[in-house]
Amino acid sequence: GESVGLHLPTLSVQEGDNSIINCAYSNSASDYFIWYKQESGKGPQFIIDIRSNMDKRQGQRVTVLLNKTVKHLSLQIAATQPGDSAVYFCAENISGANSKLTFGKGITLSVRP
Amino acid sequence: DSGVTQTPKHLITATGQRVTLRCSPRSGDLSVYWYQQSLDQGLQFLIHYYNGEERAKGNILERFSAQQFPDLHSELNLSSLELGDSALYFCASSYRDYNEQFFGPGTRLTVL
Repeated sequence: GESVGLHLPTLSVQEGDNSIINCAYSNSASDYFIWYKQESGKGPQFIIDIRSNMDKRQGQRVTVLLNKTVKHLSLQIAATQPGDSAVYFCAENISGANSKLTFGKGITLSVRP
Repeated sequence: DSGVTQTPKHLITATGQRVTLRCSPRSGDLSVYWYQQSLDQGLQFLIHYYNGEERAKGNILERFSAQQFPDLHSELNLSSLELGDSALYFCASSYRDYNEQFFGPGTRLTVL
C-alpha cells in the first residue's frame, strides 16, 4: 500500500557534524521522492528530490541517496548548522497519480551548539 | 517566502460551524494542492486542482470541499466542523503537474 515511514522520530547532532536522516517506503511503484524541511510555524520547504532512475543526487550541503532494492531513502546534511534544526519529511510520488505526494510522519533534527 | 499565500493565518471557531480557507498560488502556477497536518496523522493530502479542474482526491471528508477559481486562487470549505478537524491546513502550488510543490505558511484551525 501507500506507506512512507521514518525510522527514528528524533535526531540530535552536534553542530558541525554530518546528519543522516533515513526513510523507508513500501510502494515499489514509487518513482519520485522529495525531502522537505519544516521549521516551526512555517510550511514545508523543498530541499531536494530524486527520481528512481538515480541512486544519488547532491545539492548544497545535502545529498539524497536512494536504494530501490531495500526501498530506502536517506538525506545527508554536511556540516550541520543550527539553522538546520527542523522537522524533515520524506515524500513519495507515483507517476500517473497526478502529483499526489504521500508524506512520512516526520523526524525532528535538533542541532546542539 | 515560497510565494504562496494563505489566509487567514489563524481561525478559531465552534463545532458545527463552517469556515473557508483561501490560498493564492505562486505567480504562474496552475496547480493547487491542499493538505491537512495534525499531530497524529502528519501531512495528509486532501485534494489537487489544476487550472480550475479537480485532478486528484486524497483522504478528504465529504464535509470538506474545494474549488479553484479562474484567477487560480483556491478555497477550501470545511463544514459541520468537529473537534478532530483542528489542524494546520496547508496549500501548495506547482507549475502544471510538476512534482515540486511550494507550500504556503498554513492556516491553523482550532475547533472548540
